[in-house]
Amino acid sequence: GENVEQHPSTLSVQEGDSAVIKCTYSDSASNYFPWYKQELGKRPQLIIDIRSNVGEKKDQRIAVTLNKTAKHFSLHITETQPEDSAVYFCAQGGANNLFFGTGTRLTVIP
Amino acid sequence: NAGVTQTPKFRILKIGQSMTLQCAQDMNHNYMYWYRQDPGMGLKLIYYSVGAGITDKGEVPNGYNVSRSTTEDFPLRLELAAPSQTSVYFCASRSGLNTGELFFGEGSRLTVL
Repeated sequence: GENVEQHPSTLSVQEGDSAVIKCTYSDSASNYFPWYKQELGKRPQLIIDIRSNVGEKKDQRIAVTLNKTAKHFSLHITETQPEDSAVYFCAQGGANNLFFGTGTRLTVIP
Repeated sequence: NAGVTQTPKFRILKIGQSMTLQCAQDMNHNYMYWYRQDPGMGLKLIYYSVGAGITDKGEVPNGYNVSRSTTEDFPLRLELAAPSQTSVYFCASRSGLNTGELFFGEGSRLTVL
């Protein structure tokens, strides 16, 4: 499979602070980079995605940035809330597939 | 639409037994996937299909088989279950190669003892 490295594996922030999760990938042909949120015991759900022809995309408190030259992309969550606590996965779109990172467990402390 | 439906939700198998995890989607999606998620880990691709009659291996296909006789169904077969196959299995689908969102089923928790 294609390599997607995700950091950090765990992240704790105070409510209201920002959280940043970073991923690096190896396949320069990849052109699709989504982020999924998985709450405890639930299925993963898409929260935001970006394609390779765009450098940044924002949706309310969530933003994703992509640096194709350096082959890395990041998820930024601002004004974090307790309901943001979950595991977040980055993914890289290959020829027919999505390859996932190992996940970041985000805990927002009230 | 029910989306992606997986059965069973839970199953305990003995070593050496076989079983099939069922997956069905009612969104007329061409692409379907099986992932496994080990505790505290990410999602590893087992098999995928880009359309009826077409299947291909993912990252961790050993010990599994799939078939795709219809657009709607994509069952995953475990032959000779081993403790290493204890995991949560997710089926997912999307409409096309570059059409974004992967829709996941609720998952099937399998324990092999």
